[in-house]
Amino acid sequence: DSGVTQTPKHLITATGQRVTLRCSPRSGDLSVYWYQQSLDQGLQFLIQYYNGEERAKGNILERFSAQQFPDLHSELNLSSLELGDSALYFCASSTYRGGTGELFFGEGSRLTVL
Amino acid sequence: AQSVAQPEDQVNVAEGNPLTVKCTYSVSGNPYLFWYVQYPNRGLQFLLKYITGDNLVKGSYGFEAEFNKSQTSFHLKKPSALVSDSALYFCAVRDSPSNDYKLSFGAGTTVTVRA
Repeated sequence: DSGVTQTPKHLITATGQRVTLRCSPRSGDLSVYWYQQSLDQGLQFLIQYYNGEERAKGNILERFSAQQFPDLHSELNLSSLELGDSALYFCASSTYRGGTGELFFGEGSRLTVL
Repeated sequence: AQSVAQPEDQVNVAEGNPLTVKCTYSVSGNPYLFWYVQYPNRGLQFLLKYITGDNLVKGSYGFEAEFNKSQTSFHLKKPSALVSDSALYFCAVRDSPSNDYKLSFGAGTTVTVRA
């Protein structure tokens, strides 16, 4: 158990809809990262937050947004969903102590868009 | 920009034989290198990392990795593979110095260990 909690584990929705994925980082970790894993794109970095502020942005679509709240949990919002958004979405956290720290991943949220 | 490449999509070995999963990296500074494993329907689990020092790094579950600066490689190894090592393995890199701490992952290598 990594200590990172993601909900929901599975989500099935229709095209055009909006969903919210939630992540609780490990106790004490200030940084949260979101990754998307799909068969054709592999593991893609989406966005990083540190202590409530956006730190880095990767291949995140404009239809997607995220935020980190004062209690350090994070939410990834996916809107106007398309079939191609079906993927496994991972949250990871780290202590943000220098650049040597590994990331700890949650179990992921599997999104299926029909 | 930082990146890693895993040249093999799949690696198949017999139980008890040595296992090697290859990874090469590209960074502008000094590399911080990581290996993760993903079992079916699970998240990524950290195996080991290279930051500095000894080029041979030992990690979880009997895995080790060798950092080779001249070949820009960081291959994952296990002397004697188990059927339970069958999984998807990812190499990852972080450039140093860096203003953020994201990891860039390779495409992954599926390891199958046959009994």
